[in-house]
Order: sequence, then C-alpha cells, then structure tokens
Amino acid sequence: SYVLTQPPSVSVAPGKTARITCGGNNIGSKSVHWYQQKPGQAPVLVIYYDSDRPSGIPERFSGSNSGNTATLTISRVEAGDEADYYCQVWDSSSDHRGVFGGGTKLTVL
Amino acid sequence: QVQLVQSGSELKKPGASVKVSCKASGYTFTNYAMNWVRQAPGQGLEWMGWINTNTGNPTYAQGFTGRFVFSLDTSVSTAYLQISSLKAEDTAVYYCARLESGGWFDPWGQGTLVTVSS
Repeated sequence: SYVLTQPPSVSVAPGKTARITCGGNNIGSKSVHWYQQKPGQAPVLVIYYDSDRPSGIPERFSGSNSGNTATLTISRVEAGDEADYYCQVWDSSSDHRGVFGGGTKLTVL
Repeated sequence: QVQLVQSGSELKKPGASVKVSCKASGYTFTNYAMNWVRQAPGQGLEWMGWINTNTGNPTYAQGFTGRFVFSLDTSVSTAYLQISSLKAEDTAVYYCARLESGGWFDPWGQGTLVTVSS
C-alpha cells in the first residue's frame, strides 16, 4: 500500500516561512491534498490538487508537488497557524483508497 | 451550506455495539461518496473506508473489516458507522467526510467520540 511520510514536528518564528514536507514514491504523479487540524476540532482542507486553495483559506498557504516530495508552505506565519497538518492522496493504483501522512505538528515559537 | 452533522459522544462497555450517524445537508447526498476516518487519542488520521452513496457498496480499509459496517439511509441523507464487539482500542474520534471527485475530503463532520471502558 502507498505510504506518505511527514516530519513529526516543525517549528517556526512568527512572520517567518514554514515548510512541511510529505514524501511518497513518485508522489509528483499524484494529487496531494492538505488539512489543518487544531486541538479539539475536525480537520479543515487548506490545499487541494497540490496547490489550489479553497475559498476562505489565506493566500499565505501554498503547495507544490514534484518527484518524491510534496510541500505545504505557510508564509508570514501567525500564532493562529499552530496546528497539526496532514497530507493526503487518493490511491487509485490498485483499488480506490485514501491515504494520510502521519501528520506534522507546527509550533509557532 | 454544505454540512455534515454527526451524532453525539458515546460511552460503551467492551463487547457492546455503537452506531454513529452522519447527516448531510446542502447538497445531493447520492452525488458524493462518504468516507470514515478514525483518530485515536493523540494519534493521526486513519482512513477507514468509504461507501458508495448510489449503490450502498462499502469498501473497508485493512484493519476495519469484520466488526465495522458502513450503511446508508438515503431518504434522510444519512450515513452510518456501526462498530460491534467494542474493544478498548476502539476508543477514538470518528469522522465522516465527503469525498470530492478530485480525491480530497471536504467537508468533514464535527467528529464523534466513542469511549470504550468498563
């Protein structure tokens, strides 16, 4: 089965740029989606189709995907961005199933 | 607006069963598959499987076969997750999430905490 690998934690100072990676075999050939989850809340979609933003998501959130790594970039990080972030793909290679990365805790210093 | 509203928290004893509901509104229920995701305490998101809301055909992820059943009542735009023979390790928040055609989940239900304890 397809595996997505994320770093457990990333720390960044306010106003700086945070980059959260998601590794997978030839992930560049798949569409990657990203979710933000704050404590006690349901996940919220922040990026779909590698780099598209749903309405209401700030332009500070962007995504890219190439080769074996997809990246979620958060510019001008704010305290309110502190959360867990998960990458996800829909794996249609064998049967149709969802796959999540293990999640990354973003800490704003 | 598009919304998924789940049933409330449950406290169950080991060996019992639980049925979690997920009521959809704001869209045509049968146009989108419904997925279920588990989150154990302090852990990440785990995809459990999905149900075709047109045919009612479920697909279960590895580790979620046997005791887990997805079902529908399309007349009230509601999906259900039933777990039987509950174990302590089933303690988790269970989310329903609509699957978009591009493969992402949006929106999500607010989550249902199922606690299994004697």
